[in-house]
Amino acid sequence: ETGVTQSPTHLIKTRGQQVTLRCSSQSGHNTVSWYQQALGQGPQFIFQYYREEENGRGNFPPRFSGLQFPNYSSELNVNALELDDSALYLCASSLEPERADTQYFGPGTRLTVL
Amino acid sequence: DAKTTQPPSMDCAEGRAANLPCNHSTISGNEYVYWYRQIHSQGPQYIIHGLKNNETNEMASLIITEDRKSSTLILPHATLRDTAVYYCIDTNAGKSTFGDGTTLTVKP
Repeated sequence: ETGVTQSPTHLIKTRGQQVTLRCSSQSGHNTVSWYQQALGQGPQFIFQYYREEENGRGNFPPRFSGLQFPNYSSELNVNALELDDSALYLCASSLEPERADTQYFGPGTRLTVL
Repeated sequence: DAKTTQPPSMDCAEGRAANLPCNHSTISGNEYVYWYRQIHSQGPQYIIHGLKNNETNEMASLIITEDRKSSTLILPHATLRDTAVYYCIDTNAGKSTFGDGTTLTVKP
C-alpha cells in the first residue's frame, strides 16, 4: 500500500463525453504525475503538477487537462472522449520534482469508452 | 517514446536469481535509472534506483555499467510472487514514459 488513492476504480463512458478522475496523494507529497496505460503497454506520461502548477507535459492533446488542489489532491479531466482513451489511468505522487524522485503509484482507474 | 529497451519476457526458477537487463544508451548525466514492477494491472511498485554506483536494498540489487548505458536488476532469490512486468526507466524528476517492460515468470 502506497497511501495513494484513486477514484473511481472503474468507469464506463461513451464517445464524446467528458470524464474526471481523482487522485489523493501520499501524505507530505506535493508532486503528482498522471499516466495512461493501454492494455499490454507501459505507462505513458501525461503531465505532472507541482504545487498546483503544471510542471511538464507528455505528448497528449489539450483535451487532457489537470488540476492540483492546495491539499495536493488532483484531478485528470478528459474532454471529447475517443475510443482510444480506453485505458488504465494511474497517478503517482512524489515528494519534490527532483532528479531522483521516487514515485508512489495509486491502483489506477480503469476507463472504458464505448 | 520510451528511451529504454528491455527483453519482452524472461523465465526464472523459483529460488534462483533473476537477472533482468535494460539498455538506456541515451541516458544523460543527470538522469537516474529507476526500476518498477507491476503485478496484474495494479499500480507500478518502486523497486530500486541508482545514478552511477551499484545499489542494494531489501528487494533487489542494481548493477549499472561504468558507461551508464545499461543496467541489470537482480532479484537474488526469486519467488512466485515476483512474477510481474518489470520496467526500467531513465528519468529526470519523474517525467518519463515507460517502455513495455519485461514480463518475468517465476516457475516452481
